[in-house]
Amino acid sequence: GENVEQHPSTLSVQEGDSAVIKCTYSDSASNYFPWYKQELGKRPQLIIDIRSNVGEKKDQRIAVTLNKTAKHFSLHITETQPEDSAVYFCAASIGLGNFVFGPGTRLSVLP
Amino acid sequence: GAVVSQHPSWVICKSGTSVKIECRSLDFQATTMFWYRQFPKQSLMLMATSNEGSKATYEQGVEKDKFLINHASLTLSTLTVTSAHPEDSSFYICSAGGVVGAPTYEQYFGPGTRLTVT
Repeated sequence: GENVEQHPSTLSVQEGDSAVIKCTYSDSASNYFPWYKQELGKRPQLIIDIRSNVGEKKDQRIAVTLNKTAKHFSLHITETQPEDSAVYFCAASIGLGNFVFGPGTRLSVLP
Repeated sequence: GAVVSQHPSWVICKSGTSVKIECRSLDFQATTMFWYRQFPKQSLMLMATSNEGSKATYEQGVEKDKFLINHASLTLSTLTVTSAHPEDSSFYICSAGGVVGAPTYEQYFGPGTRLTVT
């Protein structure tokens, strides 16, 4: 089955700096890769996603890149703000299948 | 749009009792409901997948007789934790997929239910 790894597990950046989180997946059939932000005790919130027919997608300060050949995808947050502090999860799925989540990255943005 | 609710949001029960968690899609219909469990400081782990009108498919290591899933309609799925024990204490999150009229890969998460078994 699919296996998703995520690095780093924790990340601290200064406000205004960029943050990058990387994920790898094992199943080449996976074709949808969402990123979620989760605050303590709350539901995961979709922040950006990318499908396998696209290599890069950007939404304001957030961007995601996908390398299908290497089976890895990355989340880039620019101009980080304290409110970006949260746990971020990457996931991979195949069509209507369930999401397989990475272990998460705890991002701390220091003022 | 695409709102998923869960009830209750937080429940405390005694060991040996059963707890039912409801997951509803409020403004859309979904053919598939996913149930995830999240322990503190860990990731979401899929427990089971249920399709409306069919038996749920459980992930390896998840006891189907302990975690009963019912998916009676396109807007409601329930998870019943039977004979709960302290090790079942966790954050349970449902997700609606296979949304009628939406891209097949999208899922919408409920707010989660925090279960504490004493």
